[in-house]
Amino acid sequence: TQLLEQSPQFLSIQEGENLTVYCNSSSVFSSLQWYRQEPGEGPVLLVTVVTGGEVKKLKRLTFQFGDARKDSSLHITAAQPGDTGLYLCAGELNSGYALNFGKGTSLLVTP
Amino acid sequence: GAGVSQSPSNKVTEKGKDVELRCDPISGHTALYWYRQRLGQGLEFLIYFQGNSAPDKSGLPSDRFSAERTGESVSTLTIQRTQQEDSAVYLCASRKQGRYTEAFFGQGTRLTVV
Repeated sequence: TQLLEQSPQFLSIQEGENLTVYCNSSSVFSSLQWYRQEPGEGPVLLVTVVTGGEVKKLKRLTFQFGDARKDSSLHITAAQPGDTGLYLCAGELNSGYALNFGKGTSLLVTP
Repeated sequence: GAGVSQSPSNKVTEKGKDVELRCDPISGHTALYWYRQRLGQGLEFLIYFQGNSAPDKSGLPSDRFSAERTGESVSTLTIQRTQQEDSAVYLCASRKQGRYTEAFFGQGTRLTVV
């Protein structure tokens, strides 16, 4: 059973465009993380959100945790080719439980 | 070591053979995860070790898959009687104890069953 559903699965955009990717669940998470994975590498943490409604910004990336802690979004402003990669959300139902990953959104940003 | 280390980085095996994949987590990290990633796909949870607790094996796809961890150190993932559908990258991650901690991943073992 896939706890976290990510959409869209694939996204191809041109440099300078804005985009939003989504991570949704029917379960409530104590925390949610976003990772980015580049080809041939393991995923690397971008951000952790823990409070319902929380918004965090990382340069051109804005992360939001839903009020009910069941969903999250990642918005990228003025995308650049360096943003290309697989974006994964991961949630923890309770501290000490397994980290559940979504299937990811594969982003391609072309010059 | 500085990060999570996995070996081998690549493994080609014949269908029906057994393989063993190794993960050396970051020292002091109590939690260790194994994931499988098929080409172009996301991460599929396999197994989770947390300290001395019983592992969460709920993601293992069949009884051909097993994993062990010695204390809070090395883990091995064993796949018996490999099948072509086992071909994937197997990723290991470790986390230190505490809330909301970061998972650090190795670079994975790319397994090809021919």
